[in-house]
Amino acid sequence: AQSVAQPEDQVNVAEGNPLTVKCTYSVSGNPYLFWYVQYPNRGLQFLLKYITGDNLVKGSYGFEAEFNKSQTSFHLKKPSALVSDSALYFCAVRTLDGGSQGNLIFGKGTKLSVKP
Amino acid sequence: GAGVSQTPSNKVTEKGKYVELRCDPISGHTALYWYRQSLGQGPEFLIYFQGTGAADDSGLPNDRFFAVRPEGSVSTLKIQRTERGDSAVYLCASSPGLAGATQYFGPGTRLTVL
Repeated sequence: AQSVAQPEDQVNVAEGNPLTVKCTYSVSGNPYLFWYVQYPNRGLQFLLKYITGDNLVKGSYGFEAEFNKSQTSFHLKKPSALVSDSALYFCAVRTLDGGSQGNLIFGKGTKLSVKP
Repeated sequence: GAGVSQTPSNKVTEKGKYVELRCDPISGHTALYWYRQSLGQGPEFLIYFQGTGAADDSGLPNDRFFAVRPEGSVSTLKIQRTERGDSAVYLCASSPGLAGATQYFGPGTRLTVL
């Protein structure tokens, strides 16, 4: 079965420090990987995605993520965290193999808290 | 340009009632998705439309749930005989329908079944 795991329910970081939000996946075919951010009472906002090519993907608001096929991971990173980065982050995978017709499979989410 | 819009933003209903939730996708997007997000969880897939037809409805939990997209644009998610367990945020997303295309989400409809 296809799945996404975000092993940390919460990540706490001091402002200005680097941050990492972890994601691992399990799919039967080639994955398309996504990160979304959700602010309170708001919908999901797209941050970045990996489809093919360079394993390091750069996205919105200074975020980046590295696709690691051997470790089946797609961790989200930012060199210097801002208080305004505090939100709920979701990793998602999409594959067109098997029974999936293109929907996203989401992790449970990781709450990022950046303290001043 | 305009993003995905959903109405109503909040819906409170009584157990056993019928509700309709509306999604207006980004203009030109052929693919439309419905997801359900329960408290503390990630969104879970319900149904996916490519054009007017439901390409995958494997996520609908039971036959009380139904969705339509008659003209290939606006979609309506219909829930019959609502139950308290249906309470959640219902999210709609649209995309150009290509394999690696990004799905863009609306703000969601918060459904509360009393």
